[in-house]
Amino acid sequence: EAQVTQNPRYLITVTGKKLTVTCSQNMNHEYMSWYRQDPGLGLRQIYYSMNVEVTDKGDVPEGYKVSRKEKRNFPLILESPSPNQTSLYFCASSLNRAETQYFGPGTRLLVL
Amino acid sequence: SQQGEEDPQALSIQEGENATMNCSYKTSINNLQWYRQNSGRGLVHLILIRSNEREKHSGRLRVTLDTSKKSSSLLITASRAADTASYFCATSYTGFQKLVFGTGTRLLVSP
Repeated sequence: EAQVTQNPRYLITVTGKKLTVTCSQNMNHEYMSWYRQDPGLGLRQIYYSMNVEVTDKGDVPEGYKVSRKEKRNFPLILESPSPNQTSLYFCASSLNRAETQYFGPGTRLLVL
Repeated sequence: SQQGEEDPQALSIQEGENATMNCSYKTSINNLQWYRQNSGRGLVHLILIRSNEREKHSGRLRVTLDTSKKSSSLLITASRAADTASYFCATSYTGFQKLVFGTGTRLLVSP
């Protein structure tokens, strides 16, 4: 089954404790991206990747890192999480930047 | 901001009625897409309409695109309670490396 998986689905952590949210897709897509969703603000892009070893900032990259060492995986790293990073995070993949995006189920993060 | 804007922000209708949502955007686009999100879940793609297309259908969904007015509409005919969700438009702007999502329309369909 074609899908995008994210782990963990729910995470409660404390300020400053590094965490990684994994994202994996099995559709051989070149384009992957991370979004955060906050009430009233819609989806905002954090980082995106056009292909392996090619990543770039989206609209709200501060406080986040990503890597794309393999085509299928695109982890999101919060080196020192802060309460303003409490949000619902989505990973998505697509054939290219302009086409249909396939979303993961989301990761709900609470930073205390 | 390049963000598209949906209108209305919220819509409440009865089962069997039609629901219309609108999306306006700012500059030239490659395509415009509509997505649905059930509460707290991932977005699901509904329809993609390209800049040279004016109308597309998928089941009970009808999407129109008016590039002169920089707007699109999503019509859901004969709505069902299961259509209750948030609906987002996303625009692929010419020259930009990403889709830009609007803030969504919350649709409530009552039995």
